[in-house]
Amino acid sequence: GAVVSQHPSWVICKSGTSVKIECRSLDFQATTMFWYRQFPKQSLMLMATSNEGSKATYEQGVEKDKFLINHASLTLSTLTVTSAHPEDSSFYICSARERESGYGYTFGSGTRLTVV
Amino acid sequence: AQSVAQPEDQVNVAEGNPLTVKCTYSVSGNPYLFWYVQYPNRGLQFLLKYITGDNLVKGSYGFEAEFNKSQTSFHLKKPSALVSDSALYFCAVRDDGNKLVFGAGTILRVKS
Repeated sequence: GAVVSQHPSWVICKSGTSVKIECRSLDFQATTMFWYRQFPKQSLMLMATSNEGSKATYEQGVEKDKFLINHASLTLSTLTVTSAHPEDSSFYICSARERESGYGYTFGSGTRLTVV
Repeated sequence: AQSVAQPEDQVNVAEGNPLTVKCTYSVSGNPYLFWYVQYPNRGLQFLLKYITGDNLVKGSYGFEAEFNKSQTSFHLKKPSALVSDSALYFCAVRDDGNKLVFGAGTILRVKS
């Protein structure tokens, strides 16, 4: 089946630095990539939606200058958390919508970000 | 707007017993419904989906769900629970913008 590879699985960074998270769709083309944030014991909060070759659409309340999303190809999307602060510590998950197999949604394995 | 509700924060069941995790939905138009499972510090794994067709949908790992239009429900079921089924379960509906809207999640605990 479809697989989305998400890296890194966990990262610790210092306040003020930037962190990049990558999601690659393996063996399929991801027409749309979704980025979620999940707090402990809570549901997934959609941060933004990106389509290949166009600017991401951010959900209300999500700072687009802080969470930079790039979807330069049909197999790669990145989320960069800029000038990270402790409150950005969270679990980030990507999801790819695949064109070939009935537009299912495949999720990456998630990235645990800890800002110290 | 499309939405789903998972009324139970947690479901406890003994190993070998049948399990049900509840989900109700609110949509305009035809619902596209999904169930996912999440293990600690992992992404979501697809279990099953309902787009159209038979109301009883069979999915991965022995799970199934019944679409009930009159009750606007899409409950997840399994005839015989395993301890390894213990995880966090999410019901989701696809909205008009092709985004998934998730329920709050239900923790399933299966005890041996």
